[in-house]
Amino acid sequence: NAGVTQTPKFQVLKTGQSMTLQCAQDMNHEYMSWYRQDPGMGLRLIHYSVGAGITDQGEVPNGYNVSRSTTEDFPLRLLSAAPSQTSVYFCASRKGGTETQYFGPGTRLLVL
Amino acid sequence: GENVEQHPSTLSVQEGDSAVIKCTYSDSASNYFPWYKQELGKRPQLIIDIRSNVGEKKDQRIAVTLNKTAKHFSLHITETQPEDSAVYFCAARKGGTSYGKLTFGQGTILTVHP
Repeated sequence: NAGVTQTPKFQVLKTGQSMTLQCAQDMNHEYMSWYRQDPGMGLRLIHYSVGAGITDQGEVPNGYNVSRSTTEDFPLRLLSAAPSQTSVYFCASRKGGTETQYFGPGTRLLVL
Repeated sequence: GENVEQHPSTLSVQEGDSAVIKCTYSDSASNYFPWYKQELGKRPQLIIDIRSNVGEKKDQRIAVTLNKTAKHFSLHITETQPEDSAVYFCAARKGGTSYGKLTFGQGTILTVHP
């Protein structure tokens, strides 16, 4: 099992550009989430999904879109990047009925 | 929604000493409390967790205690080692088999000096 994988590892964008952060898991987990990590603020939930075709907003959803067409993939789209979206983004997954959440390696995003 | 406060923000100890990190939560319905360790540049990794029907849980040098009445829980690390240096996050979640959003504390930077 590769677990939770994320691409790219690092990305630089200019203000106004769009991009998609990829997340995939091969553990057949129903639940998937996107977090952003900023210094002194812990991890904050952006969007989450409880299964293919079902997504919902977390604490800080503005400026981000998600979709879940398959169980394995949960991409995060930045529609028009802003400097305030400079952060480290973590994807996570969890099997329904269990407690443990597994994190991907993260994507470091810099918006100039 | 849930709010989790974590203290201290930084903690410096000598090798062999104990370290304690404390978290408080606001939603009395929260029933699952994990602790994550994050080394520099790495992903958060679960080190220990506790459910609300248990007051204490130990795993070798680490332990977590939960006080439901006061709505706080703590991480205890004994006989600290330099490799314990990392950022530690507490979190809280309510719900059983449903999704249940995980709310994180702000993190504690633990430094263990040899």
